[in-house]
Amino acid sequence: DGGITQSPKYLFRKEGQNVTLSCEQNLNHDAMYWYRQDPGQGLRLIYYSQIVNDFQKGDIAEGYSVSREKKESFPLTVTSAQKNPTAFYLCASSRSGVVGADTQYFGPGTRLTVL
Amino acid sequence: GDSVTQMEGPVTLSEEAFLTINCTYTATGYPSLFWYVQYPGEGLQLLLKATKADDKGSNKGFEATYRKETTSFHLEKGSVQVSDSAVYFCALSSLDGSRLTFGEGTQLTVNP
Repeated sequence: DGGITQSPKYLFRKEGQNVTLSCEQNLNHDAMYWYRQDPGQGLRLIYYSQIVNDFQKGDIAEGYSVSREKKESFPLTVTSAQKNPTAFYLCASSRSGVVGADTQYFGPGTRLTVL
Repeated sequence: GDSVTQMEGPVTLSEEAFLTINCTYTATGYPSLFWYVQYPGEGLQLLLKATKADDKGSNKGFEATYRKETTSFHLEKGSVQVSDSAVYFCALSSLDGSRLTFGEGTQLTVNP
């Protein structure tokens, strides 16, 4: 089945540690995205990538880093510089960043808790 | 910049009631508009979309019409079920299709 997988579903981290969240898709989509969701709030864009080896900052990129070495993979690292990292992280992908091909498909999410 | 405003929640209805969740937007040009649904502890699922003015998106009994004159994309369903309980997000695409802007979400609870 085609889709987006995120692992792990729950992740615990000690304060001051970096942690990497995995996102893989087998939909052959060009574009991938990372969002953060806080309780009772909408989604905020962290980073996005429209093509391999290229990515752009979203609205809240500070304290986060990404890489896009392969089309199917877009890992997100939450660094110790992120002041309030406890949140639900959602990965998404779409066919390409062009008009008419903008429907995004989401993974199941990773809930990160910093202890 | 682009923005999406959804009616404040939470919304609580009885089974078989009529549902409306309001969504208005501000954007340059004519973006594509979307409704996504999120069930507890899960990611978002696309519910429906519309790509141009007067288009009606529909799925699973839900409908929304792209109204350019009122910059709105209200979600409606004639008869809700308990299984419709979820958070609903309205969203629009940027002009180049590279990103989505989401509303804050509306929590819907349907009681038997």
